Formats: sequence, structure tokens, C-alpha cells
Amino acid sequence: QVQLQESGPELVKPSETLSLTCTVSGGYISTYYWNWIRQPPGKGLEWIGSIFSSDITDYNPSLKSRVSISLDSSKKQFSLKLTSVTAADTAVYYCARRAGYSSSWPFDYWGQGTLVTVSS
Amino acid sequence: QSVLTQPPSVSAAPGQRVTISCAGSSSNIGYNSVSWYQQLPGTAPKLLIYESNKRPSGIPDRFSASKSGTSATLDITGLQTGDEADYYCGTSNSSLNAWVFGGGTKLTVL
Repeated sequence: QVQLQESGPELVKPSETLSLTCTVSGGYISTYYWNWIRQPPGKGLEWIGSIFSSDITDYNPSLKSRVSISLDSSKKQFSLKLTSVTAADTAVYYCARRAGYSSSWPFDYWGQGTLVTVSS
Repeated sequence: QSVLTQPPSVSAAPGQRVTISCAGSSSNIGYNSVSWYQQLPGTAPKLLIYESNKRPSGIPDRFSASKSGTSATLDITGLQTGDEADYYCGTSNSSLNAWVFGGGTKLTVL
């Protein structure tokens, strides 16, 4: 059974960098697309970006200038960095898996999510 | 606003049927498969439908979906109180080179 678990600081100060890690257990990491998705309180889902095989990344154009996703296959982890955060970045952050790049491949496994609050 | 448009809320009585729509464009739904996700209160989204009309193992056949042109529809029959949740459609948007979701629809089972 594949499991994903987010970890990282729950509180980040404005203008600083939000950093989260997703640990994958129960499955391979090398043949899947690994994603970050966020959900502001009371609002809908927003795809942040994805990574495949350590060097193939895609980012939401609206966040691209501030986002970086990396993959550490040896640790079965992938990470998110979001720079220059503001209160608008307060959200539950989910990590999720897709088995392929095309739209035929949905987000089939999700982490439980972690609430990150941006506040001084 | 979301790239994909869903009604904010729908409601129906237990045992009844409800339909949730998801409207897009030729850049997203018109060209790509749609997936649907169920988010129960306080939990992570769960895959409900993929490739526009296929159910993963374990999803009851009370849940079905279809796609026509630039719109998609999720149907839930035999409503149960446990179906109360937020439902999201999602697909790839070719012009944005990004994955997009609908704004979500809150289902209330009266």
C-alpha cells in the first residue's frame, strides 16, 4: 500500500521560504510523477507543480517564479520550496502521485495534508 | 476564478440522484481526460473517477461520469448521507501546461 506523508514547519514568516518534504512508502519513486497541491482554508484545490526522475519539473505558471521541487530517490522523498511567501500562501499542502504525464493519469495517492500558516 | 467551472453546491434527498457539472474549454476538457475527486470533511481528496468515466477499484457503481465536448458530468445515484463531501473535477490544460481543478461542488444530502 502506497503512503505519502508531508512534513515541515507549520508556521512561516512573511517574505521567508516555505519548505516541505513528502516521504513515500510502500512503492517505487522512480517511475512516477510526484506533485504538490494546495488548498487555502475554505477554498478549492490548486496544483503547484510536479517532478519526474529528479530533473523533469513542471510548475503552475502562476507560481513558477517562486517554486522549486526536488527529488531524492535514495530517501524516497520529494520536496517543495516556495519563496517570498505572503498570507495568501496559507493553505493545506498535499503531496500526491500520478502514474504518468498525460491527463489519463489522475492523482491516485494523496498525503493527509499539512496546514502551513504564513504569519509574523 | 477556476479554469473549470462547477456549481458551488448541489443537494438532494437520500436515495435520490444528483448531477455535478464541470465546464471547461477546448484547451482542457475538450482535449483531455477528466478525473473526479471526493473530499470528505477534514480529509484529503480521494480519486473517484479517471479517464473521464472509469472507476478505481473499490469505488461503487453509484458513482459514474461522462464527458461531452468541453464539459464533464459526475452522477451519483442512491445518495447516502456519507456522500456529503466536496467534489472536484480536474484535467490538464494544454495552453497553460498545467493541471487545473474546478472550484469544487459541495454536496448536501438532505
